[in-house]
Amino acid sequence: EAGVTQFPSHSVIEKGQTVTLRCDPISGHDNLYWYRRVMGKEIKFLLHFVKESKQDESGMPNNRFLAERTGGTYSTLKVQPAELEDSGVYFCASSQHPGRKLFFGSGTQLSVL
Amino acid sequence: GQQVMQIPQYQHVQEGEDFTTYCNSSTTLSNIQWYKQRPGGHPVFLIQLVKSGEVKKQKRLTFQFGEAKKNSSLHITATQTTDVGTYFCAGPFNYGQNFVFGPGTRLSVLP
Repeated sequence: EAGVTQFPSHSVIEKGQTVTLRCDPISGHDNLYWYRRVMGKEIKFLLHFVKESKQDESGMPNNRFLAERTGGTYSTLKVQPAELEDSGVYFCASSQHPGRKLFFGSGTQLSVL
Repeated sequence: GQQVMQIPQYQHVQEGEDFTTYCNSSTTLSNIQWYKQRPGGHPVFLIQLVKSGEVKKQKRLTFQFGEAKKNSSLHITATQTTDVGTYFCAGPFNYGQNFVFGPGTRLSVLP
C-alpha cells in the first residue's frame, strides 16, 4: 500500500513568487490534514479536509494560503505571494477517521528567499 | 484555546539512562497519540491511548494516559542512540476536526 506522497520535496523561491505544494493521501483516507513546522519548532495545524470539504481551516495563517481538494483525492496548498516567514516544512497527513492515527508524508521543505 | 504543552523542550541523556517527556492538554481529550520524528524525517505514529489511566508498553517505551484524560507521559528505559529524535504528543479537538500537536521534546542520546 502506498503511503502519503508529497511533491515537491524541496522548493526554493523568491519572496513574492507563488508556490503550489501537492499531497496525495493514502487511498481511501477521507481525512487530510496540512501542517507546518517552522525552524524545528512545533507542528502547527493548518487545516483539515474531509473528502473535498474543509472541516477546519482555523490554522491557516492568512489569505495568502489557499488549500484545495477537488474530487476529494489529492490536495494542493498554494502560497501566493510567498513571504519570508512562510519558510518551513509543510507536512500532509491522512487518516481513515478524524482524530485517529495520522500517516504523514515526507514533507515539502519550502525556503523563501 | 486548544493547547497541548510538553516538557521538557530538550533532553540530553547518556546512553543507557532513562528519559521521560510529559504532555498536558488544556482540555479533556478523547484520545492522545504519540509520534516520533527522526532528524530530517517525518512524524511517525507510535501509539494511541484512549482510556483513562491507560498504560501501554512497547519494548522499552511506556506510555501513560492520565486519569482526567488531560495529561500523558512517555518513558523510555535505558535509552539507545536509535531513540534520538523529537517526540510529540497530539490530541483531537473540535470532535477530531482539529488535531493539535504539542511542541515536542527533542531527545539527544550521547554514546
